[in-house]
Amino acid sequence: EDQVTQSPEALRLQEGESSSLNCSYTVSGLRGLFWYRQDPGKGPEFLFTLYSAGEEKEKERLKATLTKKESFLHITAPKPEDSATYLCAVIILTGGGNKLTFGTGTQLKVEL
Amino acid sequence: DSGVTQTPKHLITATGQRVTLRCSPRSGDLSVYWYQQSLDQGLQFLIQYYNGEERAKGNILERFSAQQFPDLHSELNLSSLELGDSALYFCASSVEGPYGYTFGSGTRLTVV
Repeated sequence: EDQVTQSPEALRLQEGESSSLNCSYTVSGLRGLFWYRQDPGKGPEFLFTLYSAGEEKEKERLKATLTKKESFLHITAPKPEDSATYLCAVIILTGGGNKLTFGTGTQLKVEL
Repeated sequence: DSGVTQTPKHLITATGQRVTLRCSPRSGDLSVYWYQQSLDQGLQFLIQYYNGEERAKGNILERFSAQQFPDLHSELNLSSLELGDSALYFCASSVEGPYGYTFGSGTRLTVV
């Protein structure tokens, strides 16, 4: 069964303290892995798409990487405004359509 | 503003009632997806429509139904509401293919 697992569930960092979030997946034929950011009560906001092992994408303090079994979201020198839930998802073909299957997310809190 | 519009933002209704949630996709996107997010669960895929046709179905309850109209807006109908249906309901849209979805800001449904 296709599955996405994220760790840790929650992470508390001091401002400037770099860290990584993990997303491991089990899918039959990866067609795309996605990272989203979600603020409380808001819709998920797209961050990155990765399609093949070895691929990397960067945006400001965030960098996403992909291997054959997992993806990492590296956060360098985070600021309080980076506090949010970070969601990982894989796209799965089903019937004549597709769906994004999400992990349960990592809740990040960055403190001064 | 993501370009995906959901109305209403909040809805409070009684058990046993029926409600309709509305979604207008981003301009140019033919696919619409509906997701449910409750406190104890992550984002759960409900259903996908592409250009008016149902394409993929998740664990959508029989009490729930959806449709996509010729102008591409979509409606999610929830009937015989139960307390456990209280959740955030998100609509997302995308172009065809293994690309990320753009999410709306959601409708918060409270069943009392």
